Amino acid sequence: GAVVSQHPSRVICKSGTSVKIECRSLDFQATTMFWYRQFPKKSLMLMATSNEGSKATYEQGVEKDKFLINHASLTLSTLTVTSAHPEDSSFYICSATRLAGRLNEQFFGPGTRLTVL
Amino acid sequence: GENVEQHPSTLSVQEGDSAVIKCTYSDSASNYFPWYKQELGKRPQLIIDIRSNVGEKKDQRIAVTLNKTAKHFSLHITETQPEDSAVYFCAANNFGNEKLTFGTGTRLTIIP
Repeated sequence: GAVVSQHPSRVICKSGTSVKIECRSLDFQATTMFWYRQFPKKSLMLMATSNEGSKATYEQGVEKDKFLINHASLTLSTLTVTSAHPEDSSFYICSATRLAGRLNEQFFGPGTRLTVL
Repeated sequence: GENVEQHPSTLSVQEGDSAVIKCTYSDSASNYFPWYKQELGKRPQLIIDIRSNVGEKKDQRIAVTLNKTAKHFSLHITETQPEDSAVYFCAANNFGNEKLTFGTGTRLTIIP
């Protein structure tokens, strides 16, 4: 149990286009989902915290109009990188915490590698 | 907010020897400390965690110790094997806040 999927796993796009990444908890309901960004050989940087039915909470320095987050249900959150530019190229990972499980335990998705040309 | 520091950033260990990775945290309210293993291009996987009501936890070759007074916790891997090679991240938070603060990571290489 506690499987989190992400789609797509890899995307290459032209500068100026928007890219949507989906994060799904497959076998559990997630109270909260998180979106992270990871640069090569670096740690996970939290971008935003997403709760179903409410607005996401963004970390300092993360542009909410640039990185749109929608949490439509207890099993799905989406991150849209709007008007992507080469500096947005990165590894994006989501995670989810279980509704009725051990507090604070996060399960990570496999990540999405975004390359903006 | 919480700040987590992790050392060393890289660690090479002969196969069969032990590896120790240390983390310190700043927020005395933190009470949950997980450790994640991340292989190249893969998702972080929880390998062990500890809560502040215990000082040590062990799972086969992996153990974690916690010193709340000093605000540091450590990961110990014994009898290391080549498949232990990966990047390890520590993290911290408190039950009132689901947000994890991660350390900077340690790249562990096991030398056959």
